[in-house]
Amino acid sequence: DSGVTQTPKHLITATGQRVTLRCSPRSGDLSVYWYQQSLDQGLQFLIQYYNGEERAKGNILERFSAQQFPDLHSELNLSSLELGDSALYFCASSLGLVSYEQYFGPGTRLTVT
Amino acid sequence: EDKVVQSPLSLVVHEGDTVTLNCSYEVTNFRSLLWYKQEKKAPTFLFMLTSSGIEKKSGRLSSILDKKELFSILNITATQTGDSAVYLCAESTNAGKSTFGDGTTLTVKP
Repeated sequence: DSGVTQTPKHLITATGQRVTLRCSPRSGDLSVYWYQQSLDQGLQFLIQYYNGEERAKGNILERFSAQQFPDLHSELNLSSLELGDSALYFCASSLGLVSYEQYFGPGTRLTVT
Repeated sequence: EDKVVQSPLSLVVHEGDTVTLNCSYEVTNFRSLLWYKQEKKAPTFLFMLTSSGIEKKSGRLSSILDKKELFSILNITATQTGDSAVYLCAESTNAGKSTFGDGTTLTVKP
């Protein structure tokens, strides 16, 4: 158990809908990262937040957004969902801003039908 | 664009064998190179490497980084069936962005 929690574990929704994935980092960690893992694309970095502020952006679509709250939990919002958004979404946390090992949550499996 | 390439893509060995997994990277503002093990769940952290030539070791696993040649290797000695997993290599930049390779799928047969 990494200490990172994610909810929900599974989510099934229809195209065009909007969902929110939630992540609570390990106690004491200030950075939260979001990743998407699909069969054909491997693990893709989406976005990083550090102590409430966006710090790094990867291959995140405009339909996706994230935020980190004062209590350091984070939410990833996915809107106008498409079939291709079906994937495993991981949240990870680390102590600092850069150059620290990341601890991954169990993931949320999103299925868009 | 930052790039991380792992080889081989897959590997099948027998228990007791020694394996070497490779990771090469092309990245601007390199900060660190990380190795993760992924079984049928979330990746778990193995090593973080920031300096060339310094071996990191944990039990039967070890890893080293060559910043001049832009690669890293992960060695596993005396492999066991429990080592079967996907091994992921990732680089992290000074800006905090991470790029993962496609992974090496290791299968250890009894």
